[in-house]
Amino acid sequence: AQTVTQSQPEMSVQEAETVTLSCTYDTSESDYYLFWYKQPPSRQMILVIRQEAYKQQNATENRFSVNFQKAAKSFSLKISDSQLGDAAMYFCAYTEIQGAQKLVFGQGTRLTINP
Amino acid sequence: DTGVSQDPRHKITKRGQNVTFRCDPISEHNRLYWYRQTLGQGPEFLTYFQNEAQLEKSRLLSDRFSAERPKGSFSTLEIQRTEQGDSAMYLCASSHRDRGRNTIYFGEGSWLTVV
Repeated sequence: AQTVTQSQPEMSVQEAETVTLSCTYDTSESDYYLFWYKQPPSRQMILVIRQEAYKQQNATENRFSVNFQKAAKSFSLKISDSQLGDAAMYFCAYTEIQGAQKLVFGQGTRLTINP
Repeated sequence: DTGVSQDPRHKITKRGQNVTFRCDPISEHNRLYWYRQTLGQGPEFLTYFQNEAQLEKSRLLSDRFSAERPKGSFSTLEIQRTEQGDSAMYLCASSHRDRGRNTIYFGEGSWLTVV
């Protein structure tokens, strides 16, 4: 079974600084999707960024970028120019290409932004 | 289109009572998922539908849980004879299998407290 591990329960960063959240996963599949979701106190899960495993190029979305290391099964999220609105729980998630495509989530990292 | 809608947002019930949650997915999304999230944890997959067919159920979904998606539109998740361990947030999500790169969108969740 696929597993996703986030080893940082909490992280904090100064506003306008850069922070990196770590994620590792385990799978025997060669093709899959990886995601970072953000869950603010309002609780709605919001997609931040996604990565297709067959793409070598790291995904970017404005201030958010990933470092995808397929061989190491590592998928970290970098947030540049951190803003107060970035404060939330961040979940790394994996899904298969075929079948149900259900998401397997990590335990989450709580990110605090210090003004 | 206002996204995935869930109702009620909060429910407090006495142990032993039945509760039902409703999810309205994004229009034309043919896949619908239910997840459960407890405090401090990532969401866990419960079940999923493709159109009206329930194609996969997690072993987390005990006999007291039943989900339906009549006509492939909205879905209901019913919990019978609730137990305190059922207290959690129940998240609904939807996606389109062949469109939008299979991105999964979440609702705001339904909080259940069993007293």
